[in-house]
Amino acid sequence: NAGVTQTPKFQVLKTGQSMTLQCAQDMNHEYMSWYRQDPGMGLRLIHYSVGAGITDQGEVPNGYNVSRSTTEDFPLRLLSAAPSQTSVYFCASSYFAGTGVGYTFGSGTRLTVV
Amino acid sequence: TQLLEQSPQFLSIQEGENLTVYCNSSSVFSSLQWYRQEPGEGPVLLVTVVTGGEVKKLKRLTFQFGDARKDSSLHITAAQPGDTGLYLCAGGSSTGGATNKLIFGTGTLLAVQP
Repeated sequence: NAGVTQTPKFQVLKTGQSMTLQCAQDMNHEYMSWYRQDPGMGLRLIHYSVGAGITDQGEVPNGYNVSRSTTEDFPLRLLSAAPSQTSVYFCASSYFAGTGVGYTFGSGTRLTVV
Repeated sequence: TQLLEQSPQFLSIQEGENLTVYCNSSSVFSSLQWYRQEPGEGPVLLVTVVTGGEVKKLKRLTFQFGDARKDSSLHITAAQPGDTGLYLCAGGSSTGGATNKLIFGTGTLLAVQP
């Protein structure tokens, strides 16, 4: 039972480079989201999706793109990496987009932009 | 913007002691969830409360949702070293339909010394 799988686990980028953080879930969850976690700031929502083909912005979307072509996958793209994007990124999913439904998180991607 | 403030930020106690962590907001939430996160891992759901005044118990952990659904508390009885971790509260916010965006608190880092 894989749950939510994030790759890579660690990544170092140079300023201006682009990359894609991968997220896949095998639970047939409808709702998926991306958060970033920074010291003292908790988890902040970047983008989310309520189903295949539907995405929307969260609290801190600038500099990131997402797409949801399948139920299983929700990749996060960094268009032109900046040092301010150094963070730990978490992908999360829940079985439907409704109030009170708990999230399953991946184990995170630690990204450093130099 | 909805905010969730947790207190205390850090807590170091001896095994066997009791403790309470608070999660407060000026906003009303449709639900409140608590997660525990260990180093290098994603948060893991502990409990969800959806009714004002609701109390849930999970072994030595007691969770309460405030009557006005603006605050919550987590009480641990006879803490053990295995309780060590980052505790995060998260408020469910529904806007314009069936969304399940979670607003996370800044976290309480608990260390239980043997």
